[in-house]
Amino acid sequence: EVQLVESGGGLVKPGGSLRLSCATSGFSFSDYTVNWVRQAPGKGLEWVAYIRVRGTYTSYADSVKGRFTISADNANKSLYLQMDSLRAEDTAVYYCARTVSTGWGGYFDYWGQGTLVTVSS
Amino acid sequence: DIQMTQSPSSLSASVGDRVTITCRASQSIDSYVNWYQQKPGKAPKLLIYVSSSLQSGVPSRFGGSGFGTDFTLTVSNLQPEDFATYYCQQSYGSPYTFGQGTKLEIK
Repeated sequence: EVQLVESGGGLVKPGGSLRLSCATSGFSFSDYTVNWVRQAPGKGLEWVAYIRVRGTYTSYADSVKGRFTISADNANKSLYLQMDSLRAEDTAVYYCARTVSTGWGGYFDYWGQGTLVTVSS
Repeated sequence: DIQMTQSPSSLSASVGDRVTITCRASQSIDSYVNWYQQKPGKAPKLLIYVSSSLQSGVPSRFGGSGFGTDFTLTVSNLQPEDFATYYCQQSYGSPYTFGQGTKLEIK
């Protein structure tokens, strides 16, 4: 059974840092691209970043570029999101999601349950 | 960035109805649209990928269509468990933008 389980969320002050983790199981982690997607309270979904585990290619949304870093540990089958210089507008539930590639693009077939990050003084 | 404009933003319908949600891309994206369902407090669930392919385990009353810039999600014979928020997403190019969502409510 494919599972993704996020952890590491919490309350942090503006300008602070937080590291999210996503533990995966049930699939060959290194064969996939994995993502972070966030959802601010009462708002829609926003893709944040992805990493192609094999080759470690990464891509980021402009809203987080230069502040967030996505990484993966193949041995532990885990995904991470290092979030620095946090702002109030980064407050959201953060989901990790697996991509199934379809030639040009892909779709997110499995999602974690999410972890809440609150940026507030 | 590719913008995805979803309409309507909310929709009221009754059990047994057929509803259609539309999504328009700001540029041609071939068939690279996916549709997700989200219920309160839960993660999104994939319904349709590459415009019209039904994800395994999703009931056949869900259907998708479209190519280029205009896409639709149709739900036939609405069931009580279908009342949720629906999002389209383009996967043609990074960033993989979502529509703003359509909240489907019980009339």
